[in-house]
Amino acid sequence: AQSVTQLGSHVSVSEGALVLLRCNYSSSVPPYLFWYVQYPNQGLQLLLKYTTGATLVKGINGFEAEFKKSETSFHLTKPSAHMSDAAEYFCAVNTGGFKTIFGAGTRLFVKA
Amino acid sequence: DTAVSQTPKYLVTQMGNDKSIKCEQNLGHDTMYWYKQDSKKFLKIMFSYNNKELIINETVPNRFSPKSPDKAHLNLHINSLELGDSAVYFCASSPLGREEGTNEKLFFGSGTQLSVL
Repeated sequence: AQSVTQLGSHVSVSEGALVLLRCNYSSSVPPYLFWYVQYPNQGLQLLLKYTTGATLVKGINGFEAEFKKSETSFHLTKPSAHMSDAAEYFCAVNTGGFKTIFGAGTRLFVKA
Repeated sequence: DTAVSQTPKYLVTQMGNDKSIKCEQNLGHDTMYWYKQDSKKFLKIMFSYNNKELIINETVPNRFSPKSPDKAHLNLHINSLELGDSAVYFCASSPLGREEGTNEKLFFGSGTQLSVL
């Protein structure tokens, strides 16, 4: 069975600072990994996904994530935070079927 | 030209009532889902349909009954509503594609906030 753990339910950064949101997964088979973003009163939107191949994945809005099999991690980063990045971020895992498991989410606050 | 649309956006009702939430996608996807998001933002899959056939049915009370009249629609009917049903319900869809990981990429509606009083 697969699972996802997001470390930190809240992360606060200053505008222009590095954003790092942590995600660790558990899976018995090679996983597909995803990061989704949810803005207030909206549904989730895909930021980026890892399937196979290059372990550094680039997504929308300047975000990227690196798949590290040895650490079972898929942390999300952005070099410089913008106020518009304030949202809830979800890491998710799927092992090739129709069932995607989501982490508990990390709320990102960006201070001016 | 909303891709995945749900109605209503807000639903306030009394305990014991029966209510329905409708979902439609115009993306041509084969698979549709219902997810429940609780007050702590935790997202849990409830049901999934692939081409009108039920393929995922998580541990959900029998009071919840999904119906898919065609592959573009997935409705959720809830009988005898309880306080604990209060949550945001998200409909989602995913394509069937040859590219690896395509099937697993989810497109979400904007949610239906259900409040049971």
